[in-house]
Amino acid sequence: SQQGEEDPQALSIQEGENATMNCSYKTSINNLQWYRQNSGRGLVHLILIRSNEREKHSGRLRVTLDTSKKSSSLLITASRAADTASYFCATVSYGGSNYKLTFGKGTLLTVNP
Amino acid sequence: DGGITQSPKYLFRKEGQNVTLSCEQNLNHDAMYWYRQDPGQGLRLIYYSQIVNDFQKGDIAEGYSVSREKKESFPLTVTSAQKNPTAFYLCASTPTRGLAGTTDTQYFGPGTRLTVL
Repeated sequence: SQQGEEDPQALSIQEGENATMNCSYKTSINNLQWYRQNSGRGLVHLILIRSNEREKHSGRLRVTLDTSKKSSSLLITASRAADTASYFCATVSYGGSNYKLTFGKGTLLTVNP
Repeated sequence: DGGITQSPKYLFRKEGQNVTLSCEQNLNHDAMYWYRQDPGQGLRLIYYSQIVNDFQKGDIAEGYSVSREKKESFPLTVTSAQKNPTAFYLCASTPTRGLAGTTDTQYFGPGTRLTVL
């Protein structure tokens, strides 16, 4: 079953605008990660936020985490055409000694030049 | 040039055939993973291996098999028992075994697209 669910499923914006994607999850987590996937390629890790953190920045990326609402958001500022890709959130939890990473279905971001 | 390689990039299978997808990493990572991705969907875990000679079923292991005889290699066999194998297959690895307390992120290969003819 999918732990993380991204919203919206697709987002189309103009270059220079900000893009916000949301992720909701159901069970408690250790950390939450965001990945990017260009069409037909593997995923690339973008940023990780721990369950005891509320906000994190990396370049043009800003991630927030609200554990009380079981939700996270990814903000990409000043978007570029090269940001066009699918973005996935992945939640990490531990069952005993096992690490479990569960991906959502992703948000397809299109940045128009 | 370190990383994860997958081969082939495209693979075609006839009905009733077994096929093996290759995944190799030179990152000296302990754990390796296989995922399946269907169009417009997220990734679903097929199998994972935390150490050599050990592997565990993921959420959708039926019709698949794996081996982990070497640390750097984790091949996936799609058997004839897998009724709907057409998908994009992704291999990934993490530096450690992913035990509680670690914050591993996953490193992905470029993927293999499998099509059943």
